[in-house]
Amino acid sequence: KAGVTQTPRYLIKTRGQQVTLSCSPISGHRSVSWYQQTPGQGLQFLFEYFSETQRNKGNFPGRFSGRQFSNSRSEMNVSTLELGDSALYLCASSLGPGLAVYSSYEQYFGPGTRLTVT
Amino acid sequence: GENVEQHPSTLSVQEGDSAVIKCTYSDSASNYFPWYKQELGKGPQLIIDIRSNVGEKKDQRIAVTLNKTAKHFSLHITETQPEDSAVYFCAASPYSGGGADGLTFGKGTHLIIQP
Repeated sequence: KAGVTQTPRYLIKTRGQQVTLSCSPISGHRSVSWYQQTPGQGLQFLFEYFSETQRNKGNFPGRFSGRQFSNSRSEMNVSTLELGDSALYLCASSLGPGLAVYSSYEQYFGPGTRLTVT
Repeated sequence: GENVEQHPSTLSVQEGDSAVIKCTYSDSASNYFPWYKQELGKGPQLIIDIRSNVGEKKDQRIAVTLNKTAKHFSLHITETQPEDSAVYFCAASPYSGGGADGLTFGKGTHLIIQP
């Protein structure tokens, strides 16, 4: 079974621009979560989508947004990029809520998109 | 919100010895505790997890223990091998059965296996 895929793997953007990152979850997984990883702050939760709806949100400004499509693929968007947005952006997929199985807890990560803002 | 503390930040052990990484959490509502291994250039890989109704779980050379009263959990790796060298992250989540709530991660432990 194919894992979580993220595109692109690397991006270089200029301050003030916007960027869109894409994530395809594991087949059969309906929930997608996004995380930001930086050396200073570590791994931080951005938001989670299930059934095309944002279910949970971390403590990030409104410049960070996302969406999910009917096939469970997800995109996240960062507008008005700042130097501090340089990070590895990770997507994780899981089965999703409403399932009384232990494995529904488990989140599987993709390789990430390395965003550099100059 | 939840706060997860992880120690040590760096751990160096001889090949074949055991390694122990410890985490504490603050939110008593947390009930799901996964551990991830991250190698250079890759995303975190789920290696083992435990829920708060279980005190210990083992998978070959890896085990996790949970003390819900003290709000701490630990990762134990026995008979360490060179391929165990990586950064390990603990995490906590108040998974309520309604879905995968956001994970709160520790800062990570860089495990170095000395040959």
